Amino acid sequence: DGGITQSPKYLFRKEGQNVTLSCEQNLNHDAMYWYRQDPGQGLRLIYYSQIVNDFQKGDIAEGYSVSREKKESFPLTVTSAQKNPTAFYLCASSISANYGYTFGSGTRLTVV
Amino acid sequence: AQSVTQLGSHVSVSEGALVLLRCNYSSSVPPYLFWYVQYPNQGLQLLLKYTSAATLVKGINGFEAEFKKSETSFHLTKPSAHMSDAAEYFCAVSWLSGGYQKVTFGTGTKLQVIP
Repeated sequence: DGGITQSPKYLFRKEGQNVTLSCEQNLNHDAMYWYRQDPGQGLRLIYYSQIVNDFQKGDIAEGYSVSREKKESFPLTVTSAQKNPTAFYLCASSISANYGYTFGSGTRLTVV
Repeated sequence: AQSVTQLGSHVSVSEGALVLLRCNYSSSVPPYLFWYVQYPNQGLQLLLKYTSAATLVKGINGFEAEFKKSETSFHLTKPSAHMSDAAEYFCAVSWLSGGYQKVTFGTGTKLQVIP
């Protein structure tokens, strides 16, 4: 079955570390997205990519970086510059935003 | 930018009762509207979407939503709540901006179903 796989499900980061969250899809979708979810704040867009080798900053891109070298993969790096990284991170893909998103099951990142 | 307002961060209903989750949007152009459901520690799943084909949209799990342009609303309903409906529900709006399709999510409504 087609879908989106996020890994790991849980991730712990020490202060000053960079960590990378994986997102892989086999839906043949062109567009991919990263969202951050905090309690009571809904979903906030970090980065999005409409096509391979191209990506755009979302509303809260500071302290994050992405790459899109393959259509299937859109990894997110949480850098040490992100001062409050503890959150639930969701990756999504779509044919077009008008069709709706398919979401992965999320990665919960905790700073220790 | 477009916005979405979900009235009530928590809603409680009895099992078998009507479910009504409210969503209002701001949009100067016809929007695309969506409802998603999220179970604990999982991603979001698309329940239904409005794309201007019909004002009453039927989705999965017995949910439906009605687009009312005059009220700028897209409320989600289900005639009879089931225990398995307990989850968080998000309304979202999609619109074109700067050549890109943007999506804004509401802050979510947690639905509790009381046996």
